[in-house]
Amino acid sequence: DAGVTQSPTHLIKTRGQQVTLRCSPISGHKSVSWYQQVLGQGPQFIFQYYEKEERGRGNFPDRFSARQFPNYSSELNVNALLLGDSALYLCASSIQGRDNSPLHFGNGTRLTVT
Amino acid sequence: DAKTTQPPSMDCAEGRAANLPCNHSTISGNEYVYWYRQIHSQGPQYIIHGLKNNETNEMASLIITEDRKSSTLILPHATLRDTAVYYCIVRAAITGTASKLTFGTGTRLQVTL
Repeated sequence: DAGVTQSPTHLIKTRGQQVTLRCSPISGHKSVSWYQQVLGQGPQFIFQYYEKEERGRGNFPDRFSARQFPNYSSELNVNALLLGDSALYLCASSIQGRDNSPLHFGNGTRLTVT
Repeated sequence: DAKTTQPPSMDCAEGRAANLPCNHSTISGNEYVYWYRQIHSQGPQYIIHGLKNNETNEMASLIITEDRKSSTLILPHATLRDTAVYYCIVRAAITGTASKLTFGTGTRLQVTL
């Protein structure tokens, strides 16, 4: 079975621009989460979506938004990009509904803001 | 979620067991212990998790102390491909709420010949 897939793998944007990152979860997984990983640090939680509804949000500004589609895929949007948004953006999926279902991560989208 | 404490780095000779410790002294009764690892330029990889009992799978073993305040991840026969940053995470398991993982800085395991 295919794992979590993310696109694109790399992206370069200019300050002030907007970006959309995409994620396809593992087949059968209904929950998708997004994480940001800045160089040298562990991933930080941005959003979780389950059944197209937002179930959690981390400490990120309103410039960050996301949505989940009927096929459980997801998009992360970031507006008005800042240099500090340069990071690896990770998507993870899980089988929601089970208390201890682990999250499975994709290999991320490397965003560089210049 | 409870905070975890891990050594910043460890070395292990190839073929030997790698024992990675984690302290989670403030863990609550409904919090699981999860281990992930991240190889350079890849996403975190799930390894194993447990609540109270010791767990073993094809990748590793997880030993949780009786008071649950610490745990050890054991890679029985480390190989060069096990070189990675290993994250110990405690996570509340409440159905229907955000199932976020709170990552610390992890342990950088270097496996050498």
